[in-house]
Amino acid sequence: KAGVTQTPRYLIKTRGQQVTLSCSPISGHRSVSWYQQTPGQGLQFLFEYFSETQRNKGNFPGRFSGRQFSNSRSEMNVSTLELGDSALYLCASSLDPGEKEQFFGPGTRLTVL
Amino acid sequence: AQSVTQPDIHITVSEGASLELRCNYSYGATPYLFWYVQSPGQGLQLLLKYFSGDTLVQGIKGFEAEFKRSQSSFNLRKPSVHWSDAAEYFCAVGVNTGNQFYFGTGTSLTVIP
Repeated sequence: KAGVTQTPRYLIKTRGQQVTLSCSPISGHRSVSWYQQTPGQGLQFLFEYFSETQRNKGNFPGRFSGRQFSNSRSEMNVSTLELGDSALYLCASSLDPGEKEQFFGPGTRLTVL
Repeated sequence: AQSVTQPDIHITVSEGASLELRCNYSYGATPYLFWYVQSPGQGLQLLLKYFSGDTLVQGIKGFEAEFKRSQSSFNLRKPSVHWSDAAEYFCAVGVNTGNQFYFGTGTSLTVIP
């Protein structure tokens, strides 16, 4: 069974631009969560989606948004990029929110210049 | 509020030596506890998890962890470290509602021959 896939793997943007990252969960998994990983702040929860609905959201500004499609694939969007948004963005999937065991993708490395 | 503390930022051990990585958590209810490993440029791989039951849990790659409620700890151990174990290790707590995880800041493991 294929693991969690994230595209693109690497991305370079400039300040003020916007970016969309994609995540395809493991087949059959319906819950998708997003995390931001930076050297200074570590791993921080962004949001969680299940059945196309956002269930939880971390403490991030409104520039960070996401959505989930009917096939459970998820996208996250960051608008008006700032230098501090440079990070590894990790997506994790699980069967459902009650499953608790999450499987992580390889991440998308975003660099903002 | 939930939090996870990994007091050791960096640990160096000799190949073949035993290893213990510390993790303390703060959470009001029964926690869901996890250890993940991350190699450079990679996502997170689940080593082991504790949900309930036997407080000593076995994981992949010869790792084990012990849940001690009285100490709010979930320390990771391995009796004999291999050079391939060099990586970043993260302890995480899952909460009852949804799949939001709280991660520690990580422990970087160096293995010397």
